[in-house]
Amino acid sequence: KAGVTQTPRYLIKTRGQQVTLSCSPISGHRSVSWYQQTPGQGLQFLFEYFSETQRNKGNFPGRFSGRQFSNSRSEMNVSTLELGDSALYLCASSPGDSGSTDTQYFGPGTRLTVL
Amino acid sequence: AQTVTQSQPEMSVQEAETVTLSCTYDTSENNYYLFWYKQPPSRQMILVIRQEAYKQQNATENRFSVNFQKAAKSFSLKISDSQLGDTAMYFCALEYGNKLVFGAGTILRVKS
Repeated sequence: KAGVTQTPRYLIKTRGQQVTLSCSPISGHRSVSWYQQTPGQGLQFLFEYFSETQRNKGNFPGRFSGRQFSNSRSEMNVSTLELGDSALYLCASSPGDSGSTDTQYFGPGTRLTVL
Repeated sequence: AQTVTQSQPEMSVQEAETVTLSCTYDTSENNYYLFWYKQPPSRQMILVIRQEAYKQQNATENRFSVNFQKAAKSFSLKISDSQLGDTAMYFCALEYGNKLVFGAGTILRVKS
């Protein structure tokens, strides 16, 4: 099976702009989670989508949003970019419906730089 | 609140030797899962090993094994016969509510 894919891999934006990141999960996986990784804050959970519904949400401002499509692909949007949004954004997928914990498999990440 | 602590920011080991990375966590849940992930310079997060809290037997995956002490809330990773390709950042993670809480990570350098 192909792994989790994320596009684009690198992105440079300026403050105030908005950005959309995309994630395609492993075939058959219905849960997609997003994480932000920064040197200062480490890895932090953003949100999780399952069957097109947000099932979990971390402690991030409303500028961070996401959605999931019927084919389980997910997008993450950040509006009004700030310098502090510069980070590696990781997407992870799992089956999502086992009733217990599923192992999450990660994509290669999107490196976002805000100037 | 769920927390994960990795107290060793950096470690190094000689090729072919054994190294242990430490992790402690805090949770009020009784059923949970613990993971070790590695992140090499490519930044790709790779699953190393997984442990279910309800299982007393320590998980093993080839050269990787864990020492899971539930009462002490400790979850260390032992890497045997270290290889140059093991050089990476290692993250301990606790799963609850379909989300992972990560520790700060330990940079492991394997020297030849």
